[in-house]
Order: sequence, then structure tokens, then C-alpha cells
Amino acid sequence: QSVLTQPPSASGTPGQRVTISCSGSSSNIGTNTVSWYQHLPGTAPKLLIYSDNQWPSGVPDRFSGSKSDTSASLAISGLQSEDEADYYCAVWDDSVNAYIFGTGTKVSVL
Amino acid sequence: QVQLQESGPGQVKPSQTLSLTCTVSGTSMRSGYYYWSWIRQPAGKGLEWTGRIYTNGFGSTNYNPSLRGRVTISLDTSKNQFSLKLSSVTAADTAVYYCARGRDDYNGYRIDYWGRGTLVTVSS
Repeated sequence: QSVLTQPPSASGTPGQRVTISCSGSSSNIGTNTVSWYQHLPGTAPKLLIYSDNQWPSGVPDRFSGSKSDTSASLAISGLQSEDEADYYCAVWDDSVNAYIFGTGTKVSVL
Repeated sequence: QVQLQESGPGQVKPSQTLSLTCTVSGTSMRSGYYYWSWIRQPAGKGLEWTGRIYTNGFGSTNYNPSLRGRVTISLDTSKNQFSLKLSSVTAADTAVYYCARGRDDYNGYRIDYWGRGTLVTVSS
């Protein structure tokens, strides 16, 4: 079973920088590009980052993505109260020929 | 603006087949090459991709292997809709089901538009 592991939670005060990690393997992150999604309960998830570090139109550059080997990271700079949400990494996995989501990280703004 | 809207029964009995439809607006499913997908989220858990269908004229599909052949996704481009069928459901299939559009190019695969989701409860 292919798994993308994220920390269950992360937090920071307004204005701080928060980083979320996503650990995978050679068959997924090591081979294909990573996307990140923001999900507020009761709403449609939103594409935040694609192709490891690209922004869709309308996404502020406070959100940034990076990747190294079989791990990826999402950084949120200048944390704001509206950033409180669940964040998921996702990537295509060649070993199971399926799109897999990370375990999810709940970000809290203290 | 692309919009997706899920519809279907909110409750399904165990062992029966769950059927959902996604209606797409703001774009024609016949234009461009996109992947039309279903993703679900059980209460208190993370997102789980169930599968996708490609508008390449052949309707190629990929499914989550964990669903063991119970899932079928189909297209009806004349109605600008696509559908999900999940057979032999159990309580473990209770979840919010999202329909979504994906694309795959030199930037890799990603899901760029999502519906708001619909809750399906498996219960007798």
C-alpha cells in the first residue's frame, strides 16, 4: 500500500511561517510531481500548489511548495486566520497506478 | 468558470449499489482532454481517490485498487455528466463524495476543480 505521510497537525501565530512535510517513496514523489490541496470542512477542496512548486491563478505566494528526493513540503508564510484548514499533499503513484493523497495536516492559527 | 455538482441518493442499504452523478457546467466535457474523477472522505478521515475517466474518445479509466473491482466510472458527454457506481457497499463506504476535474500535462497530474461534495450514508 502506497502511503504519503504528513504530520497530523501544525500551528503558528499570525504572521509566522508554518511548514508541512509529506513523505513518500520512489514510486510516487520520487517520480511524479506533487500537488497540495487546502480543505475547509464543508467546502470544496482547493488546489494550492501543483507541479511541486507552481501556483494556480489566484493563490497567494504566501504558499510555496518544494520537493527533494521522496519528500515534499508546503510552507505558509505570514500565517493568517483564514489559513486554518486541512492540507493534503497528493501525487500519482506508478506502483499502484492510482492518485494518492497524504494523510492530511490540520493547521491551526493560535 | 468550471462548476461541478454532485447528485444522488443520500442513503444506500448495505450490499446495494451506490450511484452518483456529477453535472458539469461552465465548460463542455467534449472540449479538451481532462480526467473526470471521484474522491471521497469518510467522517473524520482524509481524502481517498476512487478513480477517474479520461475524455480521450476511449473513456480510459483508472481505479483505486483498494476498491477491488467494485467501482465503475462512466461518461455521458451529451448531458455533460459523469457517474460513479460502487457495488456491494458496506458502512465503510459512508463518506462525503466529491466529483472533480483533473488534468495531466508536462506539469503533472492535478485536480483543478472540485464539487462541494455530497454525503452518502450506508445504512439499513
